[in-house]
Amino acid sequence: DAKTTQPPSMDCAEGRAANLPCNHSTISGNEYVYWYRQIHSQGPQYIIHGLKNNETNEMASLIITEDRKSSTLILPHATLRDTAVYYCIGRNYGQNFVFGPGTRLSVLP
Amino acid sequence: GAGVSQTPSNKVTEKGKYVELRCDPISGHTALYWYRQSLGQGPEFLIYFQGTGAADDSGLPNDRFFAVRPEGSVSTLKIQRTERGDSAVYLCASSHRPRESADTQYFGPGTRLTVL
Repeated sequence: DAKTTQPPSMDCAEGRAANLPCNHSTISGNEYVYWYRQIHSQGPQYIIHGLKNNETNEMASLIITEDRKSSTLILPHATLRDTAVYYCIGRNYGQNFVFGPGTRLSVLP
Repeated sequence: GAGVSQTPSNKVTEKGKYVELRCDPISGHTALYWYRQSLGQGPEFLIYFQGTGAADDSGLPNDRFFAVRPEGSVSTLKIQRTERGDSAVYLCASSHRPRESADTQYFGPGTRLTVL
């Protein structure tokens, strides 16, 4: 699986867009990029995943660079409830999810 | 619909005791996963079931850990002779399309195990 690197922490003002970066320079052609988040004392929550194209759902948008070496998760209007640890994971067929330490996002009032 | 559920939510036991942790996956999900999460770290894979069989148990730390899924639905993680280092949150996840690249795993709330 692709090793991903994320900043350990970020702050974002409530109501503003939160842009969480992830580097996955060793990602292979068949590896999807997944994003999960974990709110304190809860299990990880699936957010979004993508392969090559940008993706959007009701929670977030995922922007993947053309060379697929990095991606950005965008929460368009962050709320206090979005405060969590965000995990970026590169995963190939038949492989396990490998969680790194993630990015601790703090949404500030 | 109902998500993944885990019981108990909290378990306190003494060193050397035996514990069982239960996971009820999302109905119809054939794949089930167990993870362990220590404080301040991301979840760490333990074992993966496809149906009733353990397809990958490479993450189990030692032979004190064992898991079963006899009917292909509910799973039990069993820990013998618990040690203080086993204290962690044990997470269960299930998915509909096992081990495919686009597989999405859905997690339960976890069981917090504390070994005194």
